[in-house]
Amino acid sequence: AQTVTQSQPEMSVQEAETVTLSCTYDTSESNYYLFWYKQPPSRQMILVIRQEAYKQQNATENRFSVNFQKAAKSFSLKISDSQLGDTAMYFCAFMAHPFYNTDKLIFGTGTRLQVFP
Amino acid sequence: KAGVTQTPRYLIKTRGQQVTLSCSPISGHRSVSWYQQTPGQGLQFLFEYFSETQRNKGNFPGRFSGRQFSNSRSEMNVSTLELGDSALYLCASNLGGLTSYEQYFGPGTRLTVT
Repeated sequence: AQTVTQSQPEMSVQEAETVTLSCTYDTSESNYYLFWYKQPPSRQMILVIRQEAYKQQNATENRFSVNFQKAAKSFSLKISDSQLGDTAMYFCAFMAHPFYNTDKLIFGTGTRLQVFP
Repeated sequence: KAGVTQTPRYLIKTRGQQVTLSCSPISGHRSVSWYQQTPGQGLQFLFEYFSETQRNKGNFPGRFSGRQFSNSRSEMNVSTLELGDSALYLCASNLGGLTSYEQYFGPGTRLTVT
């Protein structure tokens, strides 16, 4: 069974600074996807960034980037130039490749990020 | 395109009652998944449907059931409600298929059981 672990329940960062959220996972599969979702106080789950396991290049979306270490089963999220609007709960999630006939997401426990002015 | 919609957004029920929640996926999406979010257990997978067939089910009692209609809309039902069923219920949709992996979430239904 796959598991996702987020060891940082809460983090804080000052506006304009950089912060890194950690995530480790466990799986025996070789093809899968990893995601970071953001859940602000509105509770709407928003996709921040995704990484395909077969791609060696780390994904980047504007101020958000990941450090994907497949051998170590690590998938951290770096937020650069933090903004007040980044304040939210961040979830790391795993999904097996669709050829395993599932779209099931396995979530970590989340990291609450507070951005201070 | 309209996003994933969930109705109702808020619901208050009494123990022992039953409830039905609805999820309308993005137009063209054939896969719908349901998740329960609670402070204690986090986000837990309930079940997923693809083209009206349940593909997978999470570790929940039989009181939790669901279905998907031919237009891909999905409903989940919880019978004999317990206090512990109070949660935010999220549904997510995606296109379905081997090249589809991005899930789009609805705003959720907040269920309170008293």
